[in-house]
Amino acid sequence: DADVTQTPRNRITKTGKRIMLECSQTKGHDRMYWYRQDPGLGLRLIYYSFDVKDINKGEISDGYSVSRQAQAKFSLSLESAIPNQTALYFCATSEKGQGYYNEQFFGPGTRLTVL
Amino acid sequence: RKEVEQDPGPFNVPEGATVAFNCTYSNSASQSFFWYRQDCRKEPKLLMSVYSSGNEDGRFTAQLNRASQYISLLIRDSKLSDSATYLCVVNMAGSARQLTFGSGTQLTVLP
Repeated sequence: DADVTQTPRNRITKTGKRIMLECSQTKGHDRMYWYRQDPGLGLRLIYYSFDVKDINKGEISDGYSVSRQAQAKFSLSLESAIPNQTALYFCATSEKGQGYYNEQFFGPGTRLTVL
Repeated sequence: RKEVEQDPGPFNVPEGATVAFNCTYSNSASQSFFWYRQDCRKEPKLLMSVYSSGNEDGRFTAQLNRASQYISLLIRDSKLSDSATYLCVVNMAGSARQLTFGSGTQLTVLP
């Protein structure tokens, strides 16, 4: 079984709809992240959480919100989806360590299309 | 200027060739450096960390040049299975809890 899972894997929706992407992990990691990937732009950080009570905006948080329901679950919401939010979304986790730069483990991704 | 820049490629090389990728970063105070590998339509996975003294893992060698602010990845004796996109990743100083990903260099190893 995968250590980091994302649901749904693919989603097509219309402009203005509310969408929630879910991420679950069985790795026991404290830290969780949401990224989006666009062709030619690489992965960009949307939000990150270092524990259930610690949630922080990343580089491109506008138009997104998150919820850390438990150590193992981190959800990303698009309150009113727009076409330029069409992208591949990845959830990632990492251990809490002495530094901030531990290996990140990624989920399989959610391909979101907003029409 | 992008914070982390990579040549997007594609690099098309024959099996057995040696190929090198470079990556430049903008913030001279950056502390941590990595190479991740991403197969087509899959999630990124850590290939190796990059240490100041350079490090090697089998056919893969990573080097860091702080003075010139670039990181390199050398792949020797390329295999078909090395075909992927290689992402340069940097912890940018001032963003202590975040990693910045380059857009990746695409490698195709040809039979």
